[in-house]
Amino acid sequence: DARVTQTPRDKVTEMGQEVTMRCQPILGHNTVFWYRQTMMQGLELLAYFRNRAPLDDSGMPKDRFSAEMPDATLATLKIQPSEPRDSAVYFCASGLGTGAGNTEAFFGQGTRLTVV
Amino acid sequence: DQQVKQNSPSLSVQEGRISILNCDYTNSMFDYFLWYKKYPAEGPTFLISISSIKDKNEDGRFTVFLNKSAKHLSLHIVPSQPGDSAVYFCAASPQGGSEKLVFGKGTKLTVNP
Repeated sequence: DARVTQTPRDKVTEMGQEVTMRCQPILGHNTVFWYRQTMMQGLELLAYFRNRAPLDDSGMPKDRFSAEMPDATLATLKIQPSEPRDSAVYFCASGLGTGAGNTEAFFGQGTRLTVV
Repeated sequence: DQQVKQNSPSLSVQEGRISILNCDYTNSMFDYFLWYKKYPAEGPTFLISISSIKDKNEDGRFTVFLNKSAKHLSLHIVPSQPGDSAVYFCAASPQGGSEKLVFGKGTKLTVNP
């Protein structure tokens, strides 16, 4: 049963601390997305990668957020330092992108982040 | 500025009846549209999609209609079942090979037995 795996499922941290969220995309998928869901904004794209190269991170606050793919089986999203306004559910998704668009993204279960 | 709008935050229907979820978009560069379903504490699950070259796509009980001139799409579920109760997100991606999906804020569907 292929699925996107995210860890941790829940994270509570204090303001100022570093937070790292991890994602294992579906084996064989070459495109990885990071989305953030909040009540106010809904689902927002933070960044996405194809073949491990960042293609677009325009949705991500650059001063504190960073996204990487150390290898094809791991994507990470880091927040340093974290702030209460970062509290949200962070979703990773993967897909098989061809560069022609029309990619269906398969989502993980999300990491619920609470910054106090 | 919301490029994809789902103006109804919630919808309630009786089991067996039709559910119609609506979505409007403002960006004429969008050419691929998707619907996702989301249960609590889970990630969104892909449901059905449609390319801008079509005006209808059907998959079992689910049909998506696209009206490009009105920049409007809708998802029809017939017949509705209690297990369909979830939040439904409309999403769109632009031309040019980008896989970026822009999501609406979702409509919570409740199907009553």
